Amino acid sequence: DAKTTQPPSMDCAEGRAANLPCNHSTISGNEYVYWYRQIHSQGPQYIIHGLKNNETNEMASLIITEDRKSSTLILPHATLRDTAVYYCIALREAGTALIFGKGTTLSVSS
Amino acid sequence: EAGVTQSPTHLIKTRGQQATLRCSPISGHTSVYWYQQALGLGLQFLLWYDEGEERNRGNFPPRFSGRQFPNYSSELNVNALELEDSALYLCASSFLGAGWHTGELFFGEGSRLTVL
Repeated sequence: DAKTTQPPSMDCAEGRAANLPCNHSTISGNEYVYWYRQIHSQGPQYIIHGLKNNETNEMASLIITEDRKSSTLILPHATLRDTAVYYCIALREAGTALIFGKGTTLSVSS
Repeated sequence: EAGVTQSPTHLIKTRGQQATLRCSPISGHTSVYWYQQALGLGLQFLLWYDEGEERNRGNFPPRFSGRQFPNYSSELNVNALELEDSALYLCASSFLGAGWHTGELFFGEGSRLTVL
């Protein structure tokens, strides 16, 4: 599965949109982009995934560039409870288990 | 609907002992995954079981082993405990049927193992 690169940390003001980038320049055509987050001392939580189209659910939006080399997770109105480590993972649909990298620590402040 | 449940929540052992951790997946889920999260090392993939079979294994020594039972619950055994085995052990479950993606996992809250 392709390697992903994320900034180690980001800050966001409460109520603002949080845009978390992920680079996956070696992603192959059958690899999905998954996003998870882990709030301190809890198990990771699935957020969203996509292949090549933009996706939206009740938690977030996922924007994937046309060449699929990068993506952005958007939390439209960040709250203090969104403070967490966010992981971007590339995974083949029928491939191996999820392999987590270091992720991005998002700090939302008032 | 109950989520993934893990037991015990906390476990304290001494070096050289054995630890057994248990996981009950969400009803209907057939796959169980185990991850280790040691301080400062992030989430490390340990084991993946589906339909009672080991599907994949991470880069861990053989003293880390597990199994999946006919009811899809699972246990993780760690033999000959070492100090660096102290970590949060997370279990996740998923369903690999048509229409589901293998990357959508549901995690439990973990079992914290402390080795003294």
